[in-house]
Amino acid sequence: DGGITQSPKYLFRKEGQNVTLSCEQNLNHDAMYWYRQDPGQGLRLIYYSQIVNDFQKGDIAEGYSVSREKKESFPLTVTSAQKNPTAFYLCASSPGPREQPQHFGDGTRLSIL
Amino acid sequence: AQKVTQAQTEISVVEKEDVTLDCVYETRDTTYYLFWYKQPPSGELVFLIRRNSFDEQNEISGRYSWNFQKSTSSFNFTITASQVVDSAVYFCALSETGGYNKLIFGAGTRLAVHP
Repeated sequence: DGGITQSPKYLFRKEGQNVTLSCEQNLNHDAMYWYRQDPGQGLRLIYYSQIVNDFQKGDIAEGYSVSREKKESFPLTVTSAQKNPTAFYLCASSPGPREQPQHFGDGTRLSIL
Repeated sequence: AQKVTQAQTEISVVEKEDVTLDCVYETRDTTYYLFWYKQPPSGELVFLIRRNSFDEQNEISGRYSWNFQKSTSSFNFTITASQVVDSAVYFCALSETGGYNKLIFGAGTRLAVHP
């Protein structure tokens, strides 16, 4: 089945620790995205990548980093600089053009210990 | 600035009632795309529909229907004869101008359908 796999489903971070959220897609999509969702709010874009080895900051990139070494993979690192990391993180992919819908993974819920 | 407003934070209905979820958008673009997504309790967002700015035809898919009106900048979503399985958070989104596919999301409407 084609789709997007995010792991882990739940993640806990200690103070001062970096954690990495995994996102893999087998849809052969060029573009990938990371969103953050807080309770009662819509999704906010953290980073996006239109092509391998290229990525751009979204609206709330501070305290996060990404890489895009392979077309299928777009991991997100939540660094210790992100002071309020508790949220639900969603990864998405799309063929690229604006009119194409984005497809989403099941999400990772990150909490602070 | 581009913006999507979903004024209804939560809606509660009894099964078999019809329910309409409102979506109002702001954009200066003449070409744009609007989307509806469903987020069930499991968390993933499920794509429901896409509409481009040049197509104002209403669309019906089973119990779901969408009313797009450019004159009022609205793209409302109606569920007919609601079912418990329709309980979810529904998001309206606008595709922003630019060279990439960036979505502006509304805050979402949580729909609870009770038996």
